[in-house]
Amino acid sequence: DGGITQSPKYLFRKEGQNVTLSCEQNLNHDAMYWYRQDPGQGLRLIYYSQIVNDFQKGDIAEGYSVSREKKESFPLTVTSAQKNPTAFYLCASTRLGNQPQHFGDGTRLSIL
Amino acid sequence: AQSVAQPEDQVNVAEGNPLTVKCTYSVSGNPYLFWYVQYPNRGLQFLLKYITGDNLVKGSYGFEAEFNKSQTSFHLKKPSALVSDSALYFCAVRDRDGNNRLAFGKGNQVVVIP
Repeated sequence: DGGITQSPKYLFRKEGQNVTLSCEQNLNHDAMYWYRQDPGQGLRLIYYSQIVNDFQKGDIAEGYSVSREKKESFPLTVTSAQKNPTAFYLCASTRLGNQPQHFGDGTRLSIL
Repeated sequence: AQSVAQPEDQVNVAEGNPLTVKCTYSVSGNPYLFWYVQYPNRGLQFLLKYITGDNLVKGSYGFEAEFNKSQTSFHLKKPSALVSDSALYFCAVRDRDGNNRLAFGKGNQVVVIP
């Protein structure tokens, strides 16, 4: 079945460590997005990409980095500069235009 | 910049009663509007969208929403709530320029009481 796969489902980060969250889609979607979800705050956009080898900062990009080397993949790295990384991270993708975004099942990141 | 307000933190409704989840938006020009539902530890699932045309939009699982341009609202409704409708509901808006960015509300927790 077509969809978006996020891995791992749970991830733990030590102080000073960078960690990478995986997001893969087989929907042939052009655009991909990373969101952070904290209780009571809705979804906040970290980074997005509308085409391979190009991406833009969202509203809370500090302490995060991304790459888009392949259409189907959009990994997110949470760097040691992100001082409060504990959150639920959601990846989404969509065709360009007025189509809805499709979401993966998220990665929950916690600090050890 | 586009934004969404979902004024209620939690909506409690008895099973079988009508369910309404409120959403107002702010956007330059005409909006694209979306409703999503989220179950615990899962991603968001698309319910319905308004792009253009009929102001009453029908979606998945018996949900519908009414677009009201003068009140800048897009309230989600279901005539008869089920216990399985208990979840977190998000309204989202984007404008019609080319950046494909959505602005989400903070979400409403719906609790359907048996």
